[in-house]
Amino acid sequence: QKEVEQDPGPLSVPEGAIVSLNCTYSNSAFQYFMWYRQYSRKGPELLMYTYSSGNKEDGRFTAQVDKSSKYISLFIRDSQPSDSATYLCAMGRGNSGGYQKVTFGTGTKLQVIP
Amino acid sequence: SQTIHQWPATLVQPVGSPLSLECTVEGTSNPNLYWYRQAAGRGLQLLFYSVGIGQISSEVPQNLSASRPQDRQFILSSKKLLLSDSGFYLCAWNGVSGQIYGYTFGSGTRLTVV
Repeated sequence: QKEVEQDPGPLSVPEGAIVSLNCTYSNSAFQYFMWYRQYSRKGPELLMYTYSSGNKEDGRFTAQVDKSSKYISLFIRDSQPSDSATYLCAMGRGNSGGYQKVTFGTGTKLQVIP
Repeated sequence: SQTIHQWPATLVQPVGSPLSLECTVEGTSNPNLYWYRQAAGRGLQLLFYSVGIGQISSEVPQNLSASRPQDRQFILSSKKLLLSDSGFYLCAWNGVSGQIYGYTFGSGTRLTVV
């Protein structure tokens, strides 16, 4: 069993839709949880991170973590064509600012159709 | 502000040829540096990490090596490339003056071994 499981998609939605992206994990040692966005042929960029169960909002994005179920989600409200990208969930261990071991999901490809 | 540079952006190399990919970070000191490889459908695989000059840790046995000759420089090398070395190579960093959770990635090098 992989430490992190993520549906690869692709996921195609109309502009303005609410998008839900999800990952499950098996390792209880993960301390913090992240979502990266990766445009084609570019490096991933960090969208959001959280280290506790519950919701965290940033504009149109909401990250949700349920540690008891080992399940994390990213919701995108009012999706835009510019949101079309691959979204990677990631989970990490280690000291803030120090060496960190991060395990990534395989990514979900999202296409938002105008 | 901190920036990470990675080059070249694309590279086509014949089997058996050597490889040298370079990554540098600006605007910080003593960063933790990472080399990842991204293959289609397999997610991001950590290859090497370094917490200081001359300190290299390898995560998986392979045909590649890494070196850190200066504080903010990280080099990925191979003496003889294999077809299986093709992929998207990403350098990343974190540290007390940058991303405290997760990494900041470079723009990547797409390597095709022919």
